[in-house]
Amino acid sequence: RKEVEQDPGPFNVPEGATVAFNCTYSNSASQSFFWYRQDCRKEPKLLMSVYSSGNEDGRFTAQLNRASQYISLLIRDSKLSDSATYLCVVIRGSTLGRLYFGRGTQLTVWP
Amino acid sequence: EAQVTQNPRYLITVTGKKLTVTCSQNMNHEYMSWYRQDPGLGLRQIYYSMNVEVTDKGDVPEGYKVSRKEKRNFPLILESPSPNQTSLYFCASSPMDGAEYGYTFGSGTRLTVV
Repeated sequence: RKEVEQDPGPFNVPEGATVAFNCTYSNSASQSFFWYRQDCRKEPKLLMSVYSSGNEDGRFTAQLNRASQYISLLIRDSKLSDSATYLCVVIRGSTLGRLYFGRGTQLTVWP
Repeated sequence: EAQVTQNPRYLITVTGKKLTVTCSQNMNHEYMSWYRQDPGLGLRQIYYSMNVEVTDKGDVPEGYKVSRKEKRNFPLILESPSPNQTSLYFCASSPMDGAEYGYTFGSGTRLTVV
């Protein structure tokens, strides 16, 4: 079983829509969780860390459910500029240098 | 400007010709790592380093070598490249508390081995 699983999409939504991405991880020792954004042929860039209590950054909300080993990202009021691939990233607690990436979820926001 | 710099950005080489991709960061980060990205497979970690002279294997280390002689540099070495190493490569770095702040990535190196 893969360390991190993501729904690959693609998700095609109109501007202004709300869209949610999900991610599951297999190792219960995982300690740190992130969402990264990657534009076509560019490097991944940190979108937000994910905390147990849930956290929000403007239109973006991230949630973590440790019991179900599940992470989510909610984007409200989608903009054209949100079109990208969103990567779920997990770090195991025992080896902080080891990152595990999901394969990414592709989002296209259309006018 | 705080950044991770990879060179070259693009490289075409022939099978068996040794090559090095350089990675340098100016943020005094302890952690550095290398990834390759392939269609349908996502990003996979090749090697990582938690400090000078400390390196360890990731998911796909075969055919690659690394060294960390200085904190700022973490070169990726392909002693005898093969076509299955054609890929997009990223270097990344993080402070020791990267679990809080995540990793910063370089702009990538697109390698083609013919």
